[in-house]
Amino acid sequence: GDSVTQMEGPVTLSEEAFLTINCTYTATGYPSLFWYVQYPGEGLQLLLKATKADDKGSNKGFEATYRKETTSFHLEKGSVQVSDSAVYFCALSDRSQGAQKLVFGQGTRLTINP
Amino acid sequence: DVKVTQSSRYLVKRTGEKVFLECVQDMDHENMFWYRQDPGLGLRLIYFSYDVKMKEKGDIPEGYSVSREKKERFSLILESASTNQTSMYLCASSYVGADTQYFGPGTRLTVL
Repeated sequence: GDSVTQMEGPVTLSEEAFLTINCTYTATGYPSLFWYVQYPGEGLQLLLKATKADDKGSNKGFEATYRKETTSFHLEKGSVQVSDSAVYFCALSDRSQGAQKLVFGQGTRLTINP
Repeated sequence: DVKVTQSSRYLVKRTGEKVFLECVQDMDHENMFWYRQDPGLGLRLIYFSYDVKMKEKGDIPEGYSVSREKKERFSLILESASTNQTSMYLCASSYVGADTQYFGPGTRLTVL
C-alpha cells in the first residue's frame, strides 16, 4: 500500500538557520502531497500542498516541490524562527470509496533555539 | 473558518470502561475521520465516514467502533478500554472529493 517516510527527528536548529525535512513516498497512482504542522497543544493544520508533479507548495516561508522522479516532497525554509518549533507531518492522499484518506509519515519534531 | 471541536482535551479512564469521544464540525463536511497519534508512528486512521450512518474501517479499527447519526457529529467508541489505547485521538473532516482535511485539537486519553 501507499506509504510516507520522513527523516527521523528530533531536529534542533538555531534561529535563522536553513531547514530541510526530508520526505519520500511510495504510491501506486498520482497522489496529492501535503505538509501538516502541529504546534504544541494543538491539532494539525495544513501548511502547504502540491497536487501534481513539479508543483511547488508554499506558505509562511516554507516550500516543498513535488518530485515524481525521486518520489520526494522535502520541506524547506530559508530562515527559521523560534515560532516554527512544532511537529511536521508529511502526508499523501489516497482516494478510497468516496473519501480521500490521508497517509501520514511518522512526524518530525523541530525545535528552534534563540 | 472551519471549526472542528472535540468533547474533551484530556480524559482519564479505567481499564474496561466504555469511552465515548465526540467530534463536531460546523462546515457541513461530508467526510469525517478518526485518527490516533502515537510518537514515532505518526497518525493512523481508525475509522472514517463519508455520509450519515456510513462508516468504513481504517487501518487500525480493532477495539473501536464509531457512530454517525448526524452529519456534523462523529463519535468514536471504545467498548472496553485497555491500556494500549492510551493515546492522542484526532478527529478531522473534509468535503467530499476534497483532499484537505481539517483537524480538531485532539483528545489525550489515558487508560489506567
